[in-house]
Amino acid sequence: EAGVAQSPRYKIIEKRQSVAFWCNPISGHATLYWYQQILGQGPKLLIQFQNNGVVDDSQLPKDRFSAERLKGVDSTLKIQPAKLEDSAVYLCASSLELAGRRIGELFFGEGSRLTVL
Amino acid sequence: AQSVTQLGSHVSVSEGALVLLRCNYSSSVPPYLFWYVQYPNQGLQLLLKYTTGATLVKGINGFEAEFKKSETSFHLTKPSAHMSDAAEYFCAVTTASGGSYIPTFGRGTSLIVHP
Repeated sequence: EAGVAQSPRYKIIEKRQSVAFWCNPISGHATLYWYQQILGQGPKLLIQFQNNGVVDDSQLPKDRFSAERLKGVDSTLKIQPAKLEDSAVYLCASSLELAGRRIGELFFGEGSRLTVL
Repeated sequence: AQSVTQLGSHVSVSEGALVLLRCNYSSSVPPYLFWYVQYPNQGLQLLLKYTTGATLVKGINGFEAEFKKSETSFHLTKPSAHMSDAAEYFCAVTTASGGSYIPTFGRGTSLIVHP
């Protein structure tokens, strides 16, 4: 079974530029997550989708970050304009459970490392 | 609201020694608890999980953890450390919120294994 795919693996941009990250979850996984992991810290949830609806985006800086999940499969996370403090690894994860069903684990991609200069 | 506290950002052990990584959680409802491991330049992968039933759970690579409700803890242990165990370990808690399940991660503990 193919895992969670993310691209690009690495991206270097200057502040105020824009960047987009792409994620393809495991086939059949209804729930998709975007996490931000700053060096030395744990992953922080940015947004959670269930199919193509947003479950939680309370920690997404909506003035600069946006995310979408068209057709309930692939997802894109965009940052515009980028700030220095956005330098981090952006992790995408997916899981099989739906609300009210068995709680399963998250399957993570390898992440997209962003450096903002 | 739920939260996770991992005591110690770094734990250093000798090869063959006991590994103990501490995790305490805060949750107003019964939690689901997870430990994940992250090797350099990789994503996180599941070590073990507690949902219901037996409070002592076994995972991959010889790791196990015990859910102690009275102590709100879910510490990770391994009897004998191996060099290949050196990695970052994350404790996570998931609770229900409005019909959905939101995972929250701790800050992580870096395990260093000395020869």
